[in-house]
Amino acid sequence: EDKVVQSPLSLVVHEGDTVTLNCSYEVTNFRSLLWYKQEKKAPTFLFMLTSSGIEKKSGRLSSILDKKELFSILNITATQTGDSAVYLCAVVPNRDDKIIFGKGTRLHILP
Amino acid sequence: ETGVTQTPRHLVMGMTNKKSLKCEQHLGHNAMYWYKQSAKKPLELMFVYSLEERVENNSVPSRFSPECPNSSHLFLHLHTLQPEDSALYLCASSQARVSSYNSPLHFGNGTRLTVT
Repeated sequence: EDKVVQSPLSLVVHEGDTVTLNCSYEVTNFRSLLWYKQEKKAPTFLFMLTSSGIEKKSGRLSSILDKKELFSILNITATQTGDSAVYLCAVVPNRDDKIIFGKGTRLHILP
Repeated sequence: ETGVTQTPRHLVMGMTNKKSLKCEQHLGHNAMYWYKQSAKKPLELMFVYSLEERVENNSVPSRFSPECPNSSHLFLHLHTLQPEDSALYLCASSQARVSSYNSPLHFGNGTRLTVT
């Protein structure tokens, strides 16, 4: 059965720390991997990863995919209280539209 | 503003009521989706519409009935729901179906549904 597993499930750090969020997957016919940030309601799109080893970067956030080991990481450097959110990882299969989401990592940044 | 607008934001309904959730996207996308988000569970896909045609019905009970009158609007009609249907219902859109195009989903803010 296809699945996406995120770790840790929750994380509390102090402002200024660097965090690494993990996403591993078992999905046949992989197409792409997506990262989202969900604060209150709408998950907002962060990154789409399709190729191994190519880092995507947006400000203090970066992400990379390893298609051989079937995982991705999301890094946030110099964290701020506004980074507090649930971070969702999702994998898009090639065969249909059933994107498989992980349960998310709840990140809390202490001031 | 995400470009995907959902109404109402909150809804409380009894098990015998009939209500509808509405979603409108202003992004010019061709595919629209309904997702259910329950506490401590991953987002669950319910329905997918592409160019107003339903292309995915993910084993959803018939008490949930979707409608897509055009590529910008999506409804979810609800009737005789159960308390376990209480959840956040998220609408999303993408430029094309995710299975055929590398296009991420853009989500609305959701409708928080409580069934009493």
